[in-house]
Amino acid sequence: GAGVSQSPRYKVAKRGQDVALRCDPISGHVSLFWYQQALGQGPEFLTYFQNEAQLDKSGLPSDRFFAERPEGSVSTLKIQRTQQEDSAVYLCASSSRDRVSGNTIYFGEGSWLTVV
Amino acid sequence: GENVGLHLPTLSVQEGDNSIINCAYSNSASDYFIWYKQESGKGPQFIIDIRSNMDKRQGQRVTVLLNKTVKHLSLQIAATQPGDSAVYFCAENSIPSSNTGKLIFGQGTTLQVKP
Repeated sequence: GAGVSQSPRYKVAKRGQDVALRCDPISGHVSLFWYQQALGQGPEFLTYFQNEAQLDKSGLPSDRFFAERPEGSVSTLKIQRTQQEDSAVYLCASSSRDRVSGNTIYFGEGSWLTVV
Repeated sequence: GENVGLHLPTLSVQEGDNSIINCAYSNSASDYFIWYKQESGKGPQFIIDIRSNMDKRQGQRVTVLLNKTVKHLSLQIAATQPGDSAVYFCAENSIPSSNTGKLIFGQGTTLQVKP
C-alpha cells in the first residue's frame, strides 16, 4: 500500500488479556517507530527500529510491552496482561532513512485499544 | 487568531482569516522541528518542518517560524479554511545527532474554523 497500515484498527480487550498490534510500514522504509497517544494528548515515543534492530526502547512503559521487527519490515507491538491504563491509540510510523532530522516521518491511522 | 502560551489549547478563527499556532519546545539542543495536523480518528499528518539553522520556512499556505533564543515555534496558516480544522502538534527531535527516532510532541492546539 501507499501508506503505513495498522491492524486491527480497533481492539477491545479484557483486563489481563494479551494483545498484538501489527504495523506494515511503507515499503522500503528503514526506520519504524511506535508511539502511544492517550486521549487528548500528544503522541509519546515507545520504541524505534532501524531495519530489524531495535535501537531505542526507552519509551516502553513496562516489561509487559514488547516490540519486534524480525525481518526489518512488518512490526508487532505486543502488550501482555493488559491493564486499563494501557487504553490508548497506538501509532506506527516509518521513514525512509535512518535519522529523524530532515526525514519525513509518516504515521499510520493507529490501533485504538480499549481495555475493559 | 492566535493562541498564547501552552495553556490555551483551542483556537477559533473565522474562515479566511490567518491563524497562528504557538509552541514552546523544551530542549535548546533540538535541531529539527515538525508540525503535524491530526484530524479526528486519524494519525498525525506531516505539514512542514524546519531545521535549527533556519528561522523561517514557507510551504503552501503555511509558514513555520523558529525563535531559538526563546525556544519558540509557530505555525502560520494563511486564509484558513474549514478543512484546516484539526489538532495541531509541534514536535522536536530532542536528541540530535543520535541514532534514535524519538520525537517529543507538544500538547497540541485544536483549531476550529468558523464558516
